[in-house]
Amino acid sequence: DAGVIQSPRHEVTEMGQEVTLRCKPISGHDYLFWYRQTMMRGLELLIYFNNNVPIDDSGMPEDRFSAKMPNASFSTLKIQPSEPRDSAVYFCASRSSPGGDQLFFGSGTQLSVL
Amino acid sequence: GDSVTQMEGPVTLSEEAFLTINCTYTATGYPSLFWYVQYPGEGLQLLLKATKADDKGSNKGFEATYRKETTSFHLEKGSVQVSDSAVYFCALSGLGNTPLVFGKGTRLSVIA
Repeated sequence: DAGVIQSPRHEVTEMGQEVTLRCKPISGHDYLFWYRQTMMRGLELLIYFNNNVPIDDSGMPEDRFSAKMPNASFSTLKIQPSEPRDSAVYFCASRSSPGGDQLFFGSGTQLSVL
Repeated sequence: GDSVTQMEGPVTLSEEAFLTINCTYTATGYPSLFWYVQYPGEGLQLLLKATKADDKGSNKGFEATYRKETTSFHLEKGSVQVSDSAVYFCALSGLGNTPLVFGKGTRLSVIA
């Protein structure tokens, strides 16, 4: 398996623009997580899905952030409008639930909002 | 709620030095405990795990023992290498299928 695949690897945009980050989880995994990592705040859980259904989005910082999982093999995290304070590395991770407490992370998207 | 506390970094060591990164936890029930490692420019990856008290997880020369009496899971390595430079995260899994709870991470730099 190719692992968790995220795109793009790097995104540079201007304040006010819409940003869409993409994630393909490992096939067969039924949980998907979106994290944000910054120097100041460390690793933060934004939202997670089980069987494509959002379970907990309490970590989403503002209404500017939204996430979808239209099917088992694809998820998006959208920021509209983007702001400089959204600059961070965004990680997607997946796992399977039956006894599977190991998380598999993608390589992340480095987002810079100018 | 469940929480993980790990030592503040950064930690800077010379090659072949002994490493300890402290991790303590608060949890209801009997969580599984993990150490994840993040190399520069990469996502986190599992380094080792332990699922019950007194279990020892080990991988790549790293070890950690699940100590229920002290609620700790300290990471150790006898002789670090430059290639071990990374950020190390302690984590626990709570009840059911709740997400992993991560510590804040400890950055390790090993110099030749």
